[in-house]
Amino acid sequence: DGGITQSPKYLFRKEGQNVTLSCEQNLNHDAMYWYRQDPGQGLRLIYYSQIVNDFQKGDIAEGYSVSREKKESFPLTVTSAQKNPTAFYLCASRPGRSYTQYFGPGTRLTVL
Amino acid sequence: QKEVEQDPGPLSVPEGAIVSLNCTYSNSAFQYFMWYRQYSRKGPELLMYTYSSGNKEDGRFTAQVDKSSKYISLFIRDSQPSDSATYLCAMSAGNQFYFGTGTSLTVIP
Repeated sequence: DGGITQSPKYLFRKEGQNVTLSCEQNLNHDAMYWYRQDPGQGLRLIYYSQIVNDFQKGDIAEGYSVSREKKESFPLTVTSAQKNPTAFYLCASRPGRSYTQYFGPGTRLTVL
Repeated sequence: QKEVEQDPGPLSVPEGAIVSLNCTYSNSAFQYFMWYRQYSRKGPELLMYTYSSGNKEDGRFTAQVDKSSKYISLFIRDSQPSDSATYLCAMSAGNQFYFGTGTSLTVIP
């Protein structure tokens, strides 16, 4: 089965903790993206990566970090510096010559 | 001003109705236009994708782009209860994508 997987589906974090959200794709897509979705605000771009070992900040990168060591994987770390991390996080990927994105199932992060 | 504006609804229609969903945008550089369907607590699913102006049809779904008016539409014919979801428009001019806030649609049996 080809697709994008995100884990875990639900994640709970205590204040002051860093947590890492996993995103893996076996579609051989070049570009990968992380978005945050909040009610009434649509999708906001956190980080994106077009190739391995390279990534760019999106509109709301503060308090987040990413790595792209492998083409298939683009993990997102939500650090303690992110003041309001409770949200639905979506990972997406894009084929090299395409202008469409395909999304994973999402991770719901809740800060306790 | 937001790059993409979309009426959040909610929109409620009877089964079999024709549904019209719309977005407006401000950036004339956008060339690629997409519609996604998102069920509650799930990731968005790509429904339709069009390049530049014109119409594209896929089954019960038709996407329209009017670049002169900076306006895009998605029409759903013979709507079904399974069409109940949030519909997101998205557009791109390069490596980044810009999304509407989504319109919540309920189709009543």
